[in-house]
Amino acid sequence: AQKVTQAQTEISVVEKEDVTLDCVYETRDTTYYLFWYKQPPSGELVFLIRRNSFDEQNEISGRYSWNFQKSTSSFNFTITASQVVDSAVYFCALSVREDGANNLFFGTGTRLTVIP
Amino acid sequence: AAGVIQSPRHLIKEKRETATLKCYPIPRHDTVYWYQQGPGQDPQFLISFYEKMQSDKGSIPDRFSAQQFSDYHSELNMSSLELGDSALYFCASSLTWTSGYEQYFGPGTRLTVT
Repeated sequence: AQKVTQAQTEISVVEKEDVTLDCVYETRDTTYYLFWYKQPPSGELVFLIRRNSFDEQNEISGRYSWNFQKSTSSFNFTITASQVVDSAVYFCALSVREDGANNLFFGTGTRLTVIP
Repeated sequence: AAGVIQSPRHLIKEKRETATLKCYPIPRHDTVYWYQQGPGQDPQFLISFYEKMQSDKGSIPDRFSAQQFSDYHSELNMSSLELGDSALYFCASSLTWTSGYEQYFGPGTRLTVT
């Protein structure tokens, strides 16, 4: 069975602070994909990043960075110098091949509030 | 770039009525997924289609059905609506079901059942 845990339900930071959102996943599959999505107050789901299980290289995109560690089954997301526009719910998700399907299993999300 | 289109964006129905949600995937994408997101919850997978054939089912109630048409658009039909069906319904599309290509989500349809 697949499971994604985002232990942090809500986080508040002051603008310009760095913040890390934690994600721990469980799967028995050796081939899987990990994702982060952002859901702003308007409701849409915005794709941020995809990582496959064979690529543990960390990635940086502007103020965003991701740390994938298979040894701890974690895929953490860091926002550097946070801005008010970063306020949103962030979902970590897992996709595996289950009888050919690759639907997403989402964590429960972390609500980030950036205070001006 | 073209995105996933969902219609309507908002829908208000009464209990026991029927609703139909539509999804138009990104051109050339061959897989469509439907998700339901209740208030304050994470999206839950309902059903998916690959090349117009149902490929997987998640926690979709028997009152719901879906299909994908020859032009690849998909419809989610919901009958005997209940108050608990009030949610944001997302459609997503991807290029292939055999890989972990990212799913591109539509803006969602917000269904309110009164």
